[in-house]
Amino acid sequence: KAGVTQTPRYLIKTRGQQVTLSCSPISGHRSVSWYQQTPGQGLQFLFEYFSETQRNKGNFPGRFSGRQFSNSRSEMNVSTLELGDSALYLCASSFTPTENYGYTFGSGTRLTVV
Amino acid sequence: GESVGLHLPTLSVQEGDNSIINCAYSNSASDYFIWYKQESGKGPQFIIDIRSNMDKRQGQRVTVLLNKTVKHLSLQIAATQPGDSAVYFCAENGSSNTGKLIFGQGTTLQVKP
Repeated sequence: KAGVTQTPRYLIKTRGQQVTLSCSPISGHRSVSWYQQTPGQGLQFLFEYFSETQRNKGNFPGRFSGRQFSNSRSEMNVSTLELGDSALYLCASSFTPTENYGYTFGSGTRLTVV
Repeated sequence: GESVGLHLPTLSVQEGDNSIINCAYSNSASDYFIWYKQESGKGPQFIIDIRSNMDKRQGQRVTVLLNKTVKHLSLQIAATQPGDSAVYFCAENGSSNTGKLIFGQGTTLQVKP
């Protein structure tokens, strides 16, 4: 079966621009979480969606937002990009938030802000 | 605050030896722990998990040990192979009603042929 699909794989944006990243979970998975990975901070939780509702949010500024569609696909948006937003953005899916087993990650979107 | 920390940033082992990667966690409410492997250019890949009602769980060539008394988690890899070279992360769930995972900083495992 297909894994978690993230698009695009690579992005280069300029400071001040905004960006939208997409995540398609494994078929049947309804929970989607987003993480930011940087060399200095490691993997940090951004937000979690289930049934089109944000259930949990990490400690990131309001420039970071997301949503989930009825087909469980999710997008995250970063507005007014800063150099420090350069990172690997990872999406993970599972059947439900409480079924902790089965977290599967995508390969990520590598965002570079110049 | 919540944190999951790894004791060593880099572990170098000889091919065929056993590897042990350690992890400390601070959130006593965590009841689920996962080990992930991340290779260059890829997302984290699930290796093995363990719930807090268990002390040990075995998979294929891997064993996870959980010591709740000292809040310690370890991953043992038997007969380490070059393909095991990667960064290994431990993660905890904080509580069972959230999809949020708290990750450690990661340990790089280098396997020497």
